[in-house]
Amino acid sequence: EPEVTQTPSHQVTQMGQEVILRCVPISNHLYFYWYRQILGQKVEFLVSFYNNEISEKSEIFDDQFSVERPDGSNFTLKIRSTKLEDSAMYFCASSEKGQFEAFFGQGTRLTVV
Amino acid sequence: AQSVTQPDIHITVSEGASLELRCNYSYGATPYLFWYVQSPGQGLQLLLKYFSGDTLVQGIKGFEAEFKRSQSSFNLRKPSVHWSDAAEYFCAVVPDTGRRALTFGSGTRLQVQP
Repeated sequence: EPEVTQTPSHQVTQMGQEVILRCVPISNHLYFYWYRQILGQKVEFLVSFYNNEISEKSEIFDDQFSVERPDGSNFTLKIRSTKLEDSAMYFCASSEKGQFEAFFGQGTRLTVV
Repeated sequence: AQSVTQPDIHITVSEGASLELRCNYSYGATPYLFWYVQSPGQGLQLLLKYFSGDTLVQGIKGFEAEFKRSQSSFNLRKPSVHWSDAAEYFCAVVPDTGRRALTFGSGTRLQVQP
């Protein structure tokens, strides 16, 4: 069964460092998303991406965040200068064109120290 | 304010007992509705969805959910819970068809007693 894969599963980074989280969405999907879940809190939407551009973003997705589809298979989330409060589980998801259900990866746990 | 509410933070049921997890939403129109499950250390798995039509929807793992417009609810049910159902369950909505971002409830943690 096709699935969304995320790497790494866990990343530790120092405050102020740049970090890139990677995702391989399901191959025939055209919409890609990033969500995050701070420990003990609800899952929050960050950004959606379609046709090589951001289609929606939340107020959380400020200038320190960026997304990219560098090739035909990967989808990345970059955090430019990490803060302690960026520590969270980051989920990538994808969905087919015309479908609203999103399929999620296993997540990357980001720890900023 | 528009929101998704899961009133029960934590529920414990005995194996074999029935289960109902509550979800309420406050949006003007009927949103698209979803239930996801997150097992420990795992990602979010889609259990079922409601877009329109029959208000009782069947999902994977023996789960079903009923949409009740009058109550703005989309409760998840299972007739007989298995120990492997222990997990966190999230109700989520897409508020309108012009957007795709999911808004999640705060989740209900299900514990299953032998």
